[in-house]
Amino acid sequence: AQSVTQLGSHVSVSEGALVLLRCNYSSSVPPYLFWYVQYPNQGLQLLLKYTSAATLVKGINGFEAEFKKSETSFHLTKPSAHMSDAAEYFCAVSDVTGANNLFFGTGTRLTVIP
Amino acid sequence: DTAVSQTPKYLVTQMGNDKSIKCEQNLGHDTMYWYKQDSKKFLKIMFSYNNKELIINETVPNRFSPKSPDKAHLNLHINSLELGDSAVYFCASSRSRLWADTQYFGPGTRLTVL
Repeated sequence: AQSVTQLGSHVSVSEGALVLLRCNYSSSVPPYLFWYVQYPNQGLQLLLKYTSAATLVKGINGFEAEFKKSETSFHLTKPSAHMSDAAEYFCAVSDVTGANNLFFGTGTRLTVIP
Repeated sequence: DTAVSQTPKYLVTQMGNDKSIKCEQNLGHDTMYWYKQDSKKFLKIMFSYNNKELIINETVPNRFSPKSPDKAHLNLHINSLELGDSAVYFCASSRSRLWADTQYFGPGTRLTVL
Protein backbone atom coordinates (compact mmCIF):
# COMPACT_ATOMS: atom_id res chain seq x y z
CA ALA A 1 0.00 0.00 0.00
CA GLN A 2 1.09 3.53 -0.67
CA SER A 3 1.66 6.09 2.06
CA VAL A 4 3.50 9.35 2.71
CA THR A 5 5.14 10.74 5.82
CA GLN A 6 5.66 14.43 6.35
CA LEU A 7 8.41 15.26 8.81
CA GLY A 8 7.64 18.30 10.90
CA SER A 9 4.08 19.36 11.53
CA HIS A 10 5.22 22.98 11.89
CA VAL A 11 7.98 24.80 10.03
CA SER A 12 8.90 28.46 10.57
CA VAL A 13 11.11 30.44 8.24
CA SER A 14 12.02 34.09 7.92
CA GLU A 15 10.78 36.04 4.94
CA GLY A 16 13.31 35.61 2.14
CA ALA A 17 14.74 32.40 3.57
CA LEU A 18 14.72 28.96 1.96
CA VAL A 19 11.60 26.87 2.43
CA LEU A 20 12.10 23.11 2.79
CA LEU A 21 9.15 20.85 3.54
CA ARG A 22 9.92 17.15 3.80
CA CYS A 23 7.95 14.23 2.42
CA ASN A 24 8.93 10.58 2.27
CA TYR A 25 6.84 8.00 0.49
CA SER A 26 6.31 4.29 0.71
CA SER A 27 5.24 2.45 -2.39
CA SER A 28 5.83 -0.96 -3.88
CA VAL A 29 5.48 0.46 -7.39
CA PRO A 30 6.67 3.73 -8.97
CA PRO A 31 4.53 6.34 -7.29
CA TYR A 32 2.69 9.40 -8.49
CA LEU A 33 3.31 12.15 -5.95
CA PHE A 34 1.62 15.47 -5.31
CA TRP A 35 2.01 18.56 -3.20
CA TYR A 36 -1.12 20.53 -2.31
CA VAL A 37 -1.44 23.81 -0.42
CA GLN A 38 -4.35 24.80 1.81
CA TYR A 39 -4.77 28.44 2.76
CA PRO A 40 -6.82 29.21 5.86
CA ASN A 41 -10.49 28.29 5.45
CA GLN A 42 -10.02 27.27 1.84
CA GLY A 43 -9.86 24.09 -0.18
CA LEU A 44 -6.72 22.41 -1.44
CA GLN A 45 -4.85 23.71 -4.46
CA LEU A 46 -2.34 21.68 -6.44
CA LEU A 47 1.21 23.04 -6.28
CA LEU A 48 2.89 20.38 -8.39
CA LYS A 49 2.91 16.70 -9.22
CA TYR A 50 5.38 14.00 -10.19
CA THR A 51 4.23 11.44 -12.73
CA SER A 52 7.48 9.66 -13.62
CA ALA A 53 8.73 12.20 -16.13
CA ALA A 54 11.43 14.67 -14.99
CA THR A 55 12.59 14.11 -11.41
CA LEU A 56 12.73 17.86 -10.73
CA VAL A 57 9.21 19.21 -10.88
CA LYS A 58 8.40 22.90 -11.00
CA GLY A 59 5.09 24.14 -9.69
CA ILE A 60 3.19 27.32 -9.10
CA ASN A 61 4.29 30.23 -6.91
CA GLY A 62 8.00 29.40 -7.29
CA PHE A 63 7.83 26.00 -5.60
CA GLU A 64 9.60 22.92 -6.85
CA ALA A 65 10.15 19.38 -5.66
CA GLU A 66 12.66 16.69 -6.49
CA PHE A 67 11.82 13.00 -6.70
CA LYS A 68 14.66 10.91 -5.25
CA LYS A 69 14.01 7.22 -5.57
CA SER A 70 17.11 6.23 -3.59
CA GLU A 71 15.87 8.27 -0.63
CA THR A 72 12.14 7.65 -1.24
CA SER A 73 11.69 11.39 -0.88
CA PHE A 74 9.77 14.17 -2.57
CA HIS A 75 10.73 17.29 -0.64
CA LEU A 76 9.20 20.67 -1.49
CA THR A 77 11.42 23.74 -1.74
CA LYS A 78 11.23 27.42 -2.51
CA PRO A 79 14.33 29.61 -2.60
CA SER A 80 12.82 32.65 -0.94
CA ALA A 81 9.77 32.62 1.31
CA HIS A 82 7.03 35.23 1.00
CA MET A 83 4.51 36.14 3.65
CA SER A 84 1.81 34.85 1.31
CA ASP A 85 3.32 31.34 1.49
CA ALA A 86 2.03 30.86 5.03
CA ALA A 87 -0.36 27.93 4.76
CA GLU A 88 -0.77 24.19 5.34
CA TYR A 89 1.07 21.96 2.88
CA PHE A 90 0.10 18.38 2.12
CA CYS A 91 2.09 15.71 0.37
CA ALA A 92 0.05 12.94 -1.25
CA VAL A 93 0.58 9.73 -3.18
CA SER A 94 -1.82 8.26 -5.67
CA ASP A 95 -3.21 4.80 -5.07
CA VAL A 96 -2.01 2.85 -8.06
CA THR A 97 -3.80 -0.32 -7.02
CA GLY A 98 -7.16 0.92 -8.17
CA ALA A 99 -8.90 4.19 -8.74
CA ASN A 100 -7.32 7.62 -8.46
CA ASN A 101 -7.41 7.68 -4.68
CA LEU A 102 -5.03 10.06 -2.93
CA PHE A 103 -3.34 9.14 0.34
CA PHE A 104 -2.35 12.31 2.17
CA GLY A 105 0.34 13.02 4.73
CA THR A 106 -0.54 14.72 7.96
CA GLY A 107 0.39 18.15 6.66
CA THR A 108 3.02 20.77 7.53
CA ARG A 109 2.04 24.22 8.65
CA LEU A 110 4.40 26.83 7.26
CA THR A 111 4.80 30.08 9.17
CA VAL A 112 6.69 32.96 7.58
CA ILE A 113 8.25 35.44 10.00
CA PRO A 114 8.58 39.03 8.78
CA ASP B 1 -16.67 30.73 -12.36
CA THR B 2 -16.12 28.35 -9.45
CA ALA B 3 -14.78 25.00 -10.68
CA VAL B 4 -15.89 22.85 -7.74
CA SER B 5 -18.52 24.28 -5.44
CA GLN B 6 -20.04 22.96 -2.25
CA THR B 7 -23.10 23.98 -0.26
CA PRO B 8 -23.43 24.81 2.48
CA LYS B 9 -20.07 26.20 3.60
CA TYR B 10 -20.98 25.80 7.26
CA LEU B 11 -23.42 23.35 8.80
CA VAL B 12 -24.26 23.25 12.50
CA THR B 13 -26.70 20.62 13.67
CA GLN B 14 -27.75 18.44 16.57
CA MET B 15 -26.83 14.83 17.15
CA GLY B 16 -29.26 12.42 15.57
CA ASN B 17 -30.25 14.71 12.71
CA ASP B 18 -29.96 13.91 9.01
CA LYS B 19 -28.15 16.35 6.73
CA SER B 20 -26.90 16.64 3.17
CA ILE B 21 -23.96 18.38 1.55
CA LYS B 22 -24.07 19.18 -2.14
CA CYS B 23 -21.21 19.31 -4.59
CA GLU B 24 -21.13 20.47 -8.17
CA GLN B 25 -18.30 20.72 -10.68
CA ASN B 26 -18.38 22.62 -13.96
CA LEU B 27 -15.11 21.22 -15.31
CA GLY B 28 -16.67 18.44 -17.34
CA HIS B 29 -14.85 15.85 -15.25
CA ASP B 30 -15.87 12.21 -15.08
CA THR B 31 -14.71 11.43 -11.53
CA MET B 32 -15.74 12.97 -8.23
CA TYR B 33 -14.66 12.35 -4.63
CA TRP B 34 -15.54 13.05 -1.02
CA TYR B 35 -12.77 13.52 1.56
CA LYS B 36 -13.03 14.07 5.29
CA GLN B 37 -10.56 16.34 7.10
CA ASP B 38 -10.54 15.85 10.85
CA SER B 39 -9.62 18.32 13.58
CA LYS B 40 -5.94 17.46 13.17
CA LYS B 41 -6.12 18.35 9.46
CA PHE B 42 -5.78 14.70 8.38
CA LEU B 43 -7.44 14.09 5.01
CA LYS B 44 -8.95 10.73 4.14
CA ILE B 45 -10.85 9.56 1.10
CA MET B 46 -14.43 8.50 1.72
CA PHE B 47 -15.98 7.86 -1.67
CA SER B 48 -15.23 8.14 -5.34
CA TYR B 49 -17.62 8.08 -8.28
CA ASN B 50 -16.79 7.70 -11.93
CA ASN B 51 -19.52 8.51 -14.44
CA LYS B 52 -22.09 8.18 -11.67
CA GLU B 53 -20.75 4.76 -10.64
CA LEU B 54 -19.29 4.14 -7.19
CA ILE B 55 -15.65 3.03 -7.48
CA ILE B 56 -14.25 3.67 -4.00
CA ASN B 57 -16.04 3.13 -0.75
CA GLU B 58 -13.56 3.30 2.08
CA THR B 59 -14.33 2.18 5.60
CA VAL B 60 -17.10 4.65 6.24
CA PRO B 61 -20.18 4.03 8.39
CA ASN B 62 -23.23 3.22 6.31
CA ARG B 63 -24.87 6.32 7.80
CA PHE B 64 -22.97 8.10 5.01
CA SER B 65 -24.52 7.69 1.60
CA PRO B 66 -23.24 9.41 -1.52
CA LYS B 67 -25.52 10.04 -4.44
CA SER B 68 -24.58 11.11 -7.93
CA PRO B 69 -27.60 12.25 -9.96
CA ASP B 70 -25.32 13.11 -12.90
CA LYS B 71 -21.62 13.44 -13.69
CA ALA B 72 -21.47 17.01 -12.47
CA HIS B 73 -22.95 16.40 -9.04
CA LEU B 74 -21.99 14.25 -6.07
CA ASN B 75 -23.98 14.78 -2.90
CA LEU B 76 -23.29 13.38 0.54
CA HIS B 77 -26.14 12.45 2.84
CA ILE B 78 -25.49 11.68 6.48
CA ASN B 79 -28.04 9.97 8.71
CA SER B 80 -28.17 10.01 12.50
CA LEU B 81 -25.31 12.44 12.91
CA GLU B 82 -22.81 11.78 15.71
CA LEU B 83 -20.33 14.04 17.49
CA GLY B 84 -17.47 12.30 15.71
CA ASP B 85 -18.84 13.35 12.34
CA SER B 86 -17.73 16.92 13.04
CA ALA B 87 -15.11 17.70 10.42
CA VAL B 88 -14.52 19.55 7.19
CA TYR B 89 -15.79 17.65 4.17
CA PHE B 90 -14.17 18.31 0.82
CA CYS B 91 -15.50 17.44 -2.58
CA ALA B 92 -13.04 17.02 -5.45
CA SER B 93 -13.13 16.10 -9.11
CA SER B 94 -10.69 14.86 -11.73
CA ARG B 95 -10.85 14.43 -15.49
CA SER B 96 -10.76 10.66 -15.17
CA ARG B 97 -9.88 7.95 -12.68
CA LEU B 98 -6.32 7.70 -14.01
CA TRP B 99 -3.68 7.95 -11.31
CA ALA B 100 -1.93 11.02 -12.67
CA ASP B 101 -5.04 13.13 -13.15
CA THR B 102 -5.10 16.17 -10.92
CA GLN B 103 -7.88 16.40 -8.38
CA TYR B 104 -9.52 19.80 -8.00
CA PHE B 105 -10.96 20.51 -4.59
CA GLY B 106 -13.96 22.50 -3.49
CA PRO B 107 -13.80 25.03 -0.63
CA GLY B 108 -15.04 22.56 1.96
CA THR B 109 -18.07 22.26 4.23
CA ARG B 110 -17.42 22.60 7.95
CA LEU B 111 -19.85 20.33 9.77
CA THR B 112 -20.31 20.81 13.50
CA VAL B 113 -22.44 18.32 15.40
CA LEU B 114 -23.60 19.49 18.83
